[in-house]
Amino acid sequence: DQQVKQNSPSLSVQEGRISILNCDYTNSMFDYFLWYKKYPAEGPTFLISISSIKDKNEDGRFTVFLNKSAKHLSLHIVPSQPGDSAVYFCAASFTASKLTFGTGTRLQVTL
Amino acid sequence: GAVVSQHPSWVICKSGTSVKIECRSLDFQATTMFWYRQFPKQSLMLMATSNEGSKATYEQGVEKDKFLINHASLTLSTLTVTSAHPEDSSFYICSASIDSNQPQHFGDGTRLSIL
Repeated sequence: DQQVKQNSPSLSVQEGRISILNCDYTNSMFDYFLWYKKYPAEGPTFLISISSIKDKNEDGRFTVFLNKSAKHLSLHIVPSQPGDSAVYFCAASFTASKLTFGTGTRLQVTL
Repeated sequence: GAVVSQHPSWVICKSGTSVKIECRSLDFQATTMFWYRQFPKQSLMLMATSNEGSKATYEQGVEKDKFLINHASLTLSTLTVTSAHPEDSSFYICSASIDSNQPQHFGDGTRLSIL
C-alpha cells in the first residue's frame, strides 16, 4: 500500500518558468512533510519541509504548499534552473522521525 | 552542518559473502539512524531504525538475521548484509538527524552488486 504517491514520474519545464511537483498521501496521521532532491548515485538532499499546522513554507526559490483536506502537497520552484534537474521525492512522517517516501518525480529543466 | 558519510560507495562481491556498510554522522551526534533500500525506479523503503545502545527496530518483511545493524556510538551505525545473494543487490542508503524534530540527512548511498 503506497501511502505517499507522486503520480507524475517525470516533468519537463523550460528554464525560468515555474516547476510544480505534486504529492498525495493517504494517511491522515502524517503531520510532517519533506521534499528531497536526488541525483543519480547520490543520497537525497533535504530541500524544504512543512508541518501540518501550516499550509505554506517558503525558502528562496522553493515553496511547499500543504492542503490537508485534500491530503495533497506540492513543491513550487521558481524560477527553474538547469541545475534543478534531478529526481524529487516527497516524504511524510507522523512520528517525527520515520519517513515514508513517494516514488519520485524526475524534473528536467530545459534551456 | 549535518553531514552524513557512508562507506563504501560501491561494492561488488560473490554470492555468499557478507558485506558491511558504515554510516557516520560527521559533525553531529545521532541517537537514531535509519537504513533504507532503493530498487531501480522505485521509492526509498525504510528497512530499519538504528538506535544507539539498543537493538534496531526492523520494518515488516525485513529479515533481522539477514540485515544486521549495529549502532556502536552516537556517530556510527553499520549494516551488515550476511550471506548476500543476487537478490540483495540494491542501493542502500543511511540517514541521521540531530533530533526527532529535525529533517533526516542522508549519506550518498552504497550500491551493492552480488554476482
